[in-house]
Order: sequence, then structure tokens, then C-alpha cells
Amino acid sequence: GAVVSQHPSWVICKSGTSVKIECRSLDFQATTMFWYRQFPKQSLMLMATSNEGSKATYEQGVEKDKFLINHASLTLSTLTVTSAHPEDSSFYICSWGEGQVNQPQHFGDGTRLSIL
Amino acid sequence: QKEVEQNSGPLSVPEGAIASLNCTYSDRVSQSFFWYRQYSGKSPELIMSIYSNGDKEDGRFTAQLNKASQYVSLLIRDSQPSDSATYLCAGRGGNEKLTFGTGTRLTIIP
Repeated sequence: GAVVSQHPSWVICKSGTSVKIECRSLDFQATTMFWYRQFPKQSLMLMATSNEGSKATYEQGVEKDKFLINHASLTLSTLTVTSAHPEDSSFYICSWGEGQVNQPQHFGDGTRLSIL
Repeated sequence: QKEVEQNSGPLSVPEGAIASLNCTYSDRVSQSFFWYRQYSGKSPELIMSIYSNGDKEDGRFTAQLNKASQYVSLLIRDSQPSDSATYLCAGRGGNEKLTFGTGTRLTIIP
């Protein structure tokens, strides 16, 4: 099946730091990538949809200037959490679909971000 | 009404029994449905997908969809301790976005 490499898997940094998370598709071209955030004991919340070569579409309530998404190629999408604060500590997961409504989405391994 | 609703549990089932997980959905996410399993600290992994009325079986797992009642379920037969996880129900409407329920935490008791 399709393989996506997400890294880093775990990062701890100080408040005010910017953190970049990468998702790289290894054996297919990912036209669309989804970025989710999951707080402890909560479900996945879609943050934004990233389309190759165009601006990302953000969900309501997600600050586009804080969560920068770049999908400059068909194999790489990045999420940068700028000036991170403790409330941004969460599990961030990239996901991609198979392009049709009846096909599932698959998930990267996730990045656990802890801001001190 | 939330677009996808699940009982958060926890649901405890003896080993070897059938675990039944349920999910209801709204009209906006009514085209296809997916069950994901998520172990603590890990990302979700796909268990089953279903988009036609009726049952779909894959090994110990059976997904059931009832569009008239807007209800989708997942049955796990011969439950094993390794089935202990949070199970996420997700639905999709006319676009590509998935909408997730809050998840049901399942514990299989040895």
C-alpha cells in the first residue's frame, strides 16, 4: 500500500519556537494531503487541506498564519507551527486519500509536539 | 446533531465474546463510512470501509450499514486483548473530507 513518512515523530521545544513537520509520500503522488490535530482523549480534528501547487484550505478556527502549510511538490507536504506555545502541544497527523469518495484515507505515523 | 456520533465508552468485553461498536451519522456525511482503530499514542489504522447497505465481513470484523436509520456498526468476533483500542467511526459526504466521531474506547478483558 501507499507509504507516507512523517517526521519528526516526537519533538519537545521551548515556547516561541517554530516547528516544522514533514510528510513525504514514498511511492505515490499525493495531490491532496490533510492535516489533523488530536488532543489527549479527543478525536481527530481536521486543521487544513493541502493541495499541491496551491494554497491550503483551512478549517474554521484554525489560524493560517500560525499553522503554515506548504505542498510544493507531489511528494512533500509540510506543516510549520510558528511561535508555538504550550496550548499547541498535541498530536499532529498527516493523511491522504485515494481520490474517490468511497476510498479510505490513510494516516502517517504522527508527530507528538510538546511545547514547554 | 453532531455529524458523526459514537458512544465514548469505555466498553468492556470478555475475551472471546463479540464486541459491538455503534455510530450514527447525519445527512451531510452519508456517502461512505470507515472504521479506524487507534492504539494509545499511535495514529489511526483502517479496519473496514463500507458504503452499501448491509453487511461487509473481513476476517473477525463485520461492518454493518443501515442507511434508513443512519446507523453504522462494527462487530468484532472472538475478541482478543490486542483488540483493546479506541475505535473511530468516520463518514464522508460529497467531498473528500472525512468527519470523525469522538471514538469508543474498547477494553477486552482476558
